[in-house]
Amino acid sequence: DVKVTQSSRYLVKRTGEKVFLECVQDMDHENMFWYRQDPGLGLRLIYFSYDVKMKEKGDIPEGYSVSREKKERFSLILESASTNQTSMYLCASSLISRNTEAFFGQGTRLTVV
Amino acid sequence: AQSVAQPEDQVNVAEGNPLTVKCTYSVSGNPYLFWYVQYPNRGLQFLLKYITGDNLVKGSYGFEAEFNKSQTSFHLKKPSALVSDSALYFCAVRGGQTGANNLFFGTGTRLTVIP
Repeated sequence: DVKVTQSSRYLVKRTGEKVFLECVQDMDHENMFWYRQDPGLGLRLIYFSYDVKMKEKGDIPEGYSVSREKKERFSLILESASTNQTSMYLCASSLISRNTEAFFGQGTRLTVV
Repeated sequence: AQSVAQPEDQVNVAEGNPLTVKCTYSVSGNPYLFWYVQYPNRGLQFLLKYITGDNLVKGSYGFEAEFNKSQTSFHLKKPSALVSDSALYFCAVRGGQTGANNLFFGTGTRLTVIP
């Protein structure tokens, strides 16, 4: 089975801190995604990557950056955390083909205080 | 531009009754459509997908979905609901055009199955 692992289930950070969310997948998938989930808004794409060192902005990239130095790892970085970034963050991966499903990690619930 | 609409925030159904969760989409080219389910404090689990061919797609846990090209819809269905089906359901779409690799999600529908 495909496994997508996010480094933390729950995280509490202070305003202004630099925050790293890590995601690792074990199925050699080309695509990796970071989504943010908020009630009533569904999943919104922050960034995605289709290859090592490649990244594309999603719908809400402001305040975030990403890093993909190795194929299996995709990191989301909050440069200076703010309270409006309190949310559930979901990482996903998929093969490059558009007809394949994405597999999700268990999510990281981030609270910024 | 790609988009997905789930017109119902909440669907309630009695146990044993059929259920439908609605989804409509907008995409350039041929669509690739997906349904996911999310249980509390968990990630999303894949249920089923439509790629091409038969308009009725069967998936996990007895769920199925019907693709209707003329109505641009992809409704999720189950003949007999279980209490354990209560969860948050998301419809997603990928476009058929080259480079359209993003996976776009709807806002989700909370299904409650009443015992």
